[in-house]
Amino acid sequence: SAVISQKPSRDICQRGTSLTIQCQVDSQVTMMFWYRQQPGQSLTLIATANQGSEATYESGFVIDKFPISRPNLTFSTLTVSNMSPEDSSIYLCSVAGQGMGVEAFFGQGTRLTVV
Amino acid sequence: GDSVTQMEGPVTLSEEAFLTINCTYTATGYPSLFWYVQYPGEGLQLLLKATKADDKGSNKGFEATYRKETTSFHLEKGSVQVSDSAVYFCALGAYYGNNRLAFGKGNQVVVIP
Repeated sequence: SAVISQKPSRDICQRGTSLTIQCQVDSQVTMMFWYRQQPGQSLTLIATANQGSEATYESGFVIDKFPISRPNLTFSTLTVSNMSPEDSSIYLCSVAGQGMGVEAFFGQGTRLTVV
Repeated sequence: GDSVTQMEGPVTLSEEAFLTINCTYTATGYPSLFWYVQYPGEGLQLLLKATKADDKGSNKGFEATYRKETTSFHLEKGSVQVSDSAVYFCALGAYYGNNRLAFGKGNQVVVIP
């Protein structure tokens, strides 16, 4: 398993601003993922964060809106840029990979409200 | 593509009642199947998993059996407690092992004392 710390745990932001969410893992992991959970909805994968290369984005998500960094095997950031109220969601970091079994592990999430 | 379907709507039941949440899936190959739980105000926790047909995952009194013939992974608990109130997500892990998950819509479970 892995212990995942996400910061901030919650934030209220003004529209048009940007927020960077940090994800720190207590061990080196191969795969890191960012998910969005809109109010009352399921989880949608935003992108896979690749160490040393560009993130791989899912359909409907673009780098300009959700830039991602993955500088090493224990850390990643997701930025939500030029926010609008529609970006109000829970953003979750997830890790998986070699030595961790088939499942993925999740951070506590960042609850973002855009006003 | 791979997908997961959960039964519609929240589930409200009394303490000590029997809980069933239905989950069916569509996938190529032989995916791994999971149930995750999200308690109020928290992230997702893995509740149980099954990696091949006929496997039974179990944890905290919850069980689910990987049924390939019916492409199902229904979650059951014989006697729920108030502390089981949460949102439950069924998820499918890609056969080709890149650990990406496809989630069902989730079911809110409310257990009344």
